[in-house]
Amino acid sequence: KAGVTQTPRYLIKTRGQQVTLSCSPISGHRSVSWYQQTPGQGLQFLFEYFSETQRNKGNFPGRFSGRQFSNSRSEMNVSTLELGDSALYLCASSSGGAGTEAFFGQGTRLTVV
Amino acid sequence: QKEVEQDPGPLSVPEGAIVSLNCTYSNSAFQYFMWYRQYSRKGPELLMYTYSSGNKEDGRFTAQVDKSSKYISLFIRDSQPSDSATYLCAMKEYGQNFVFGPGTRLSVLP
Repeated sequence: KAGVTQTPRYLIKTRGQQVTLSCSPISGHRSVSWYQQTPGQGLQFLFEYFSETQRNKGNFPGRFSGRQFSNSRSEMNVSTLELGDSALYLCASSSGGAGTEAFFGQGTRLTVV
Repeated sequence: QKEVEQDPGPLSVPEGAIVSLNCTYSNSAFQYFMWYRQYSRKGPELLMYTYSSGNKEDGRFTAQVDKSSKYISLFIRDSQPSDSATYLCAMKEYGQNFVFGPGTRLSVLP
């Protein structure tokens, strides 16, 4: 069974640009959550999508947005990039039940210069 | 006070030692508890998943949850150099997102 796939693995962008990251969950999983991981703040929750609807949202500015497609694949977009957006962005896949465990992808390392 | 506290380490132990990793939390509504292992430049890998209080064992790993004390632990028996990684605890309320601890860096020395 294939795991969670995130693309691309690495990105370098310039301040002010926008970026789109992609996540394909485990087959049959309907929930995709996105996290930002930095050395100073640890893993912080961005948002969760379930069956194409945003179900939960963390405390991030509106520059961070996402969506989920009918095949459960999800994209995350960050507009007007800032230096502080440099981080490892992780997506987690779960079946979507209220208490089920989450499985992570390898992440996309975004560097903003 | 952060919702989930975890000693960041680094924690260094000799090969074969028993390792104890711990997290404390403040939200009594947390019901689901997980431990993840994360190697450098990789995504977190799920090690243990526990619902409510009690113990769960899987090979060399044992997870304990004490909801009355708001305290969870992960024990690693016969630790190996390949166990060197950052260990993250995570927990959640019913229907809510996961909240992660900051992680403990573990080094197992051969």
